[in-house]
Amino acid sequence: GAVVSQHPSRVICKSGTSVKIECRSLDFQATTMFWYRQFPKQSLMLMATSNEGSKATYEQGVEKDKFLINHASLTLSTLTVTSAHPEDSSFYICSAKTVATNEKLFFGSGTQLSVL
Amino acid sequence: LAKTTQPISMDSYEGQEVNITCSHNNIATNDYITWYQQFPSQGPRFIIQGYKTKVTNEVASLFIPADRKSSTLSLPRVSLSDTAVYYCLVGDWSGGYNKLIFGAGTRLAVHP
Repeated sequence: GAVVSQHPSRVICKSGTSVKIECRSLDFQATTMFWYRQFPKQSLMLMATSNEGSKATYEQGVEKDKFLINHASLTLSTLTVTSAHPEDSSFYICSAKTVATNEKLFFGSGTQLSVL
Repeated sequence: LAKTTQPISMDSYEGQEVNITCSHNNIATNDYITWYQQFPSQGPRFIIQGYKTKVTNEVASLFIPADRKSSTLSLPRVSLSDTAVYYCLVGDWSGGYNKLIFGAGTRLAVHP
């Protein structure tokens, strides 16, 4: 199956700093990428959808100025958590799909963000 | 808003067959049904996808009745390593584009 690489796998940062998470599709072109966050023992919550070359579409309640998403190419999307606070600590997961795969998503391995 | 409903949890024993049913009453004509498996601190992993009738691969089978309002994931002979959360997803076109919303999932515990 297709491979989605997500880095870093774990990051610890101080409150007020910004953190960038990268999501790459290694062997296919991802027309659409999704960003999810997941709290312990809970399901994945969709944060935003990004299409290559256009602005991301954010879900209701997700601050677009806090969670900056860039999808500059067909193989790379980044999520930047700006001015992180302890409540932003969570497991962030990216996924990618192409038109050819219908609703089949390929997921990254996730990034555990801990804000001190 | 998730469009699927699954049991919150299930228990089974090694070697048994496990069937997890998902309800998706409002499935759209173009929607596919996809199942994912997730282990703690990992991203979900694709298991199987189908549109109608039955689909089988090396790890699971997916049964979809004619009305497509539900689907059943069948894991033939589970082992301890199948302990995970299983998610059923259908396509969501409500936003004018295809976004996938996760439901609560089913937490499967396989016992020795």
